[in-house]
Amino acid sequence: QVRLVESGGGVVQPGRSLRLSCAASEFMFSIHPMHWVRQSPGKGLEWLAFISYDGTDKSYADSVKGRFTISRDNSKNTLYLQMNTLRGEDTAFYYCAREEGERQLDYWGQGTLVTVAS
Amino acid sequence: DIQMTQSPSSLSASVGDRVTITCRASQTISSYLHWYQQKPGKAPKLLIYATSTLQSGIPSRFSGAASGTDFTLTISSLQPEDFATYFCQQSYSSPYTFGQGTKLEIK
Repeated sequence: QVRLVESGGGVVQPGRSLRLSCAASEFMFSIHPMHWVRQSPGKGLEWLAFISYDGTDKSYADSVKGRFTISRDNSKNTLYLQMNTLRGEDTAFYYCAREEGERQLDYWGQGTLVTVAS
Repeated sequence: DIQMTQSPSSLSASVGDRVTITCRASQTISSYLHWYQQKPGKAPKLLIYATSTLQSGIPSRFSGAASGTDFTLTISSLQPEDFATYFCQQSYSSPYTFGQGTKLEIK
């Protein structure tokens, strides 16, 4: 059974940094593109970032471009999201998701909550 | 960026009803349109991908279709477990935008 488990969320002050991790198991992580998606409490889904299966291709939403960096370590079956210069509006649940053939997100983690507050 | 306009934002219906949710793309997205269901406190779950292909394990009462840049999700006969929020998403080009969501509530 495909498993994605996010970690690294918590409370952080504005302007600080945080790194999220997404541990993947029970599938061949190294052949799947991966994504990060977030959801502010009570709000809709916001796509954040994409990384190709080998890490060579990345793309970002304008709202996080230049502040967030997506990366992966295929030897550790882990996806990362480095978040710098955090703002209050970055407060959200952060989900990692696996991409499958038609670029659909077929498996999601349970999410990790990031709260940006002083 | 491609905008996805989803309607309605909320919908009240009864068990057994047929309901349709629509997503309109601001430009062509081919068939790269997917539908997700989300229940409170849970991660989204893929229902339909590539406009009309049912994800494994999803009941056949769910279906998807398209006409140009208009995409629809139809639930043929609502079941109690279907009351949730539904999102569309395009993956034709980055950023892979979501619709605003449709909250399906019990009438």
